[in-house]
Amino acid sequence: DTGVSQDPRHKITKRGQNVTFRCDPISEHNRLYWYRQTLGQGPEFLTYFQNEAQLEKSRLLSDRFSAERPKGSFSTLEIQRTEQGDSAMYLCASSLRDRSTDTQYFGPGTRLTVL
Amino acid sequence: GDSVTQMEGPVTLSEEAFLTINCTYTATGYPSLFWYVQYPGEGLQLLLKATKADDKGSNKGFEATYRKETTSFHLEKGSVQVSDSAVYFCALTYSGGGADGLTFGKGTHLIIQP
Repeated sequence: DTGVSQDPRHKITKRGQNVTFRCDPISEHNRLYWYRQTLGQGPEFLTYFQNEAQLEKSRLLSDRFSAERPKGSFSTLEIQRTEQGDSAMYLCASSLRDRSTDTQYFGPGTRLTVL
Repeated sequence: GDSVTQMEGPVTLSEEAFLTINCTYTATGYPSLFWYVQYPGEGLQLLLKATKADDKGSNKGFEATYRKETTSFHLEKGSVQVSDSAVYFCALTYSGGGADGLTFGKGTHLIIQP
């Protein structure tokens, strides 16, 4: 399978705990995006990387959220001190920048439940 | 800011019926437009796209035309099947993607009955 992969697929945690999610993009893609999707809504853009550089992070929901892409390949999204309102599906997407619009391909998502 | 508005669901149709799912957008520039589909238990998949005005995107019998004058990108299919049951999302971004990511509508749940 050469698509975008995410791990874990499901995460249940207690309020106040930290969680980290991993995303592996399509291998030749240089752009990586994180989104959050809550029930009944479309995905909401959080942040994006071009190679290892995080070029947009102002849309991260609070300072409890952070993301890294240390070697320009896989990325991690961390949520510190989780709250019940963080329960959602977290989606990763990747794309290849070219002269035309880069099309984003999505992973299956990580469903987070905060108890 | 930019936004996408889709018709409310669920939309319930019989097999072989004609489908239209309305999508309109508000954008400060000239975005590219997309339809993504989410089948039950699966991730988002790109269905079709159009990058400039009057372009028509098509795939799997679905079509949508980028109408700048009406700021619309309605999804159509001439004859739906039960397997088309899914949630459909209209989205926009700017050429080259990047800083703004994709802006999505809320999604339209389509149910096709045999």
